[in-house]
Amino acid sequence: EADIYQTPRYLVIGTGKKITLECSQTMGHDKMYWYQQDPGMELHLIHYSYGVNSTEKGDLSSESTVSRIRTEHFPLTLESARPSHTSQYLCASSDTGARAFFGQGTRLTVV
Amino acid sequence: AQSVSQHNHHVILSEAASLELGCNYSYGGTVNLFWYVQYPGQHLQLLLKYFSGDPLVKGIKGFEAEFIKSKFSFNLRKPSVQWSDTAEYFCAVNALGYSTLTFGKGTMLLVSP
Repeated sequence: EADIYQTPRYLVIGTGKKITLECSQTMGHDKMYWYQQDPGMELHLIHYSYGVNSTEKGDLSSESTVSRIRTEHFPLTLESARPSHTSQYLCASSDTGARAFFGQGTRLTVV
Repeated sequence: AQSVSQHNHHVILSEAASLELGCNYSYGGTVNLFWYVQYPGQHLQLLLKYFSGDPLVKGIKGFEAEFIKSKFSFNLRKPSVQWSDTAEYFCAVNALGYSTLTFGKGTMLLVSP
């Protein structure tokens, strides 16, 4: 079974704080993705990466940033959290022609 | 807790064959249901969604899904598949009272020309 991990699972944080959501995969996949999902709604792609030092913005504009310094690691950072950032953040990875795998998500609440 | 079960991990069809991918969820209350598709090398895209109303919903590219509440199912169908439908398909559920979307493990569909 594939391994893709997101931490933390749940996070409640105050407005203005800097946060980093972690995502790691042990499958050596080149492609990684961050999706955002508001309660009850569908996913939206906010960032993706096709390999080390490659990052692109997705379909939905986001104030978050990402980095890809190592193949297995794709963290997402919010420099100054706001209540509008309250959402679920889902990380995924895949390799061309292979299956996609999802983390369990991080549920972020900004108060 | 909400959970989603997709019956087949891999499906292989010839072009023009009919498709039905099974999806069952475990939650007795009100649900929102989704099917997503991920083409090779691309990110997830929404195929269709059900929130309420007509239980037969139509999505993009000729796909449709039927919500059968008594069976806790939301199966995806297409009358005639094409080679370009080769992709991975994910069923997802969001139950009332749960703020997160739960995905099935996905079904890899391979359509041979």
